[in-house]
Amino acid sequence: QVQLVQSGAEVKKPGASVKVSCKVFGYTFTRYGMHWVRQAPGQRLEWMGWINAGNGNTKYSQKFQDRVNITRDTPASTAYMELSSLRSEDTAVYYCARGTSARGFMDVWGQGTTVTVSS
Amino acid sequence: DIQMTQSPSSLSASVGDRVTITCRASQSISNFLNWYQQKPGTAPKLLIYAASSLQSGVPSRFSGSGSGTEFTLTITSLRPEDFATYYCQQSYSTLVTFGQGTNLEIK
Repeated sequence: QVQLVQSGAEVKKPGASVKVSCKVFGYTFTRYGMHWVRQAPGQRLEWMGWINAGNGNTKYSQKFQDRVNITRDTPASTAYMELSSLRSEDTAVYYCARGTSARGFMDVWGQGTTVTVSS
Repeated sequence: DIQMTQSPSSLSASVGDRVTITCRASQSISNFLNWYQQKPGTAPKLLIYAASSLQSGVPSRFSGSGSGTEFTLTITSLRPEDFATYYCQQSYSTLVTFGQGTNLEIK
């Protein structure tokens, strides 16, 4: 069964960094890419970036490109999203979602990771 | 960035009704348009990709149409489990963007 399992909730202080993991089950990790999408409370979905799990190439939203780093660990079948210089507006649920390309649909989603930024 | 605008933002309907949600793009996106359903506290679920292709396992009462800048999601014969928020997403640009969502509520 294809499944994406994300790491647990995080509470961070402003200025800190957070790293969220997304481990895949049920398919060959390197044959797909992985998107990262976030959703602030009551807000629309917001795309952050994408990684080609095969070669590690990435594409980022201009809004986040100075603060986000998406990586992967191929033997562990795990993708990571690290967001730095956190501020209160980064409080959101962060999702990983499988996608064959940066331009494409997202057919399998993780359960979401809540990140709370508070002093 | 390509802006995606959905209408209406909220919609009240009854079980058995037929509903249509519209998504407009700020520029032509061919058929690079996908639809998702999201229920409170859960991740989005892919319903329709490439404007009109039904994702595997999604009931046939869901359908999508459109090309260029205007797209629609239609749900025929609403069931209780269909009350949720629906998002469109353009994948024409590598800068992926979503609509603001349409909240479908029970009347």
